[in-house]
Amino acid sequence: EPEVTQTPSHQVTQMGQEVILRCVPISNHLYFYWYRQILGQKVEFLVSFYNNEISEKSEIFDDRFSVERPDGSNFTLKIRSTKLEDSAMYFCASSEDRGPEKLFFGSGTQLSVL
Amino acid sequence: GESVGLHLPTLSVQEGDNSIINCAYSNSASDYFIWYKQESGKGPQFIIDIRSNMDKRQGQRVTVLLNKTVKHLSLQIAATQPGDSAVYFCAENAGGKLIFGQGTELSVKP
Repeated sequence: EPEVTQTPSHQVTQMGQEVILRCVPISNHLYFYWYRQILGQKVEFLVSFYNNEISEKSEIFDDRFSVERPDGSNFTLKIRSTKLEDSAMYFCASSEDRGPEKLFFGSGTQLSVL
Repeated sequence: GESVGLHLPTLSVQEGDNSIINCAYSNSASDYFIWYKQESGKGPQFIIDIRSNMDKRQGQRVTVLLNKTVKHLSLQIAATQPGDSAVYFCAENAGGKLIFGQGTELSVKP
């Protein structure tokens, strides 16, 4: 069964540093998303991406955040000048149709900012 | 404002019993709802979805019920198994993005 893959599974960084979280969405999917989940809390929407541009973003997705689809398979989330409160599990998701319907999630990258 | 919430943070059931997990939503314009299962250390896994023009949808051992009058969504799991132990989230489509509820932790006792 096709799946969304994310790397790395864990990322530790110092406050103020930049991190790049990587995702390979399901191959025939056209809509891509990043969500995050702070420990013990609900999953929160960050950004949606379609046709090489951001469709929508939340207030969490401030100007330190950016997304990119550098080639036909990868979808990345970059966080500049990381803060302690960026520590969370970051999930990439993709869907075939707009909606967002039947979103398929990756296993996540646990980001720890020290 | 838009919000999706769950009535019970934890639910404990005996193996073989049926489980019912509830969810309330506040955005009456939401037209699509999903239930996700999240096991420890993993991403949310799609279980079942339902559109607002339906009030019931069945899958394998799972049924989702939608009551638009009271803005209530439920997930029924038949013959609950130990492998069903996880956190269950409902989510609604709010203008092109999913809004997740707080989650209910289901524990299945052998």
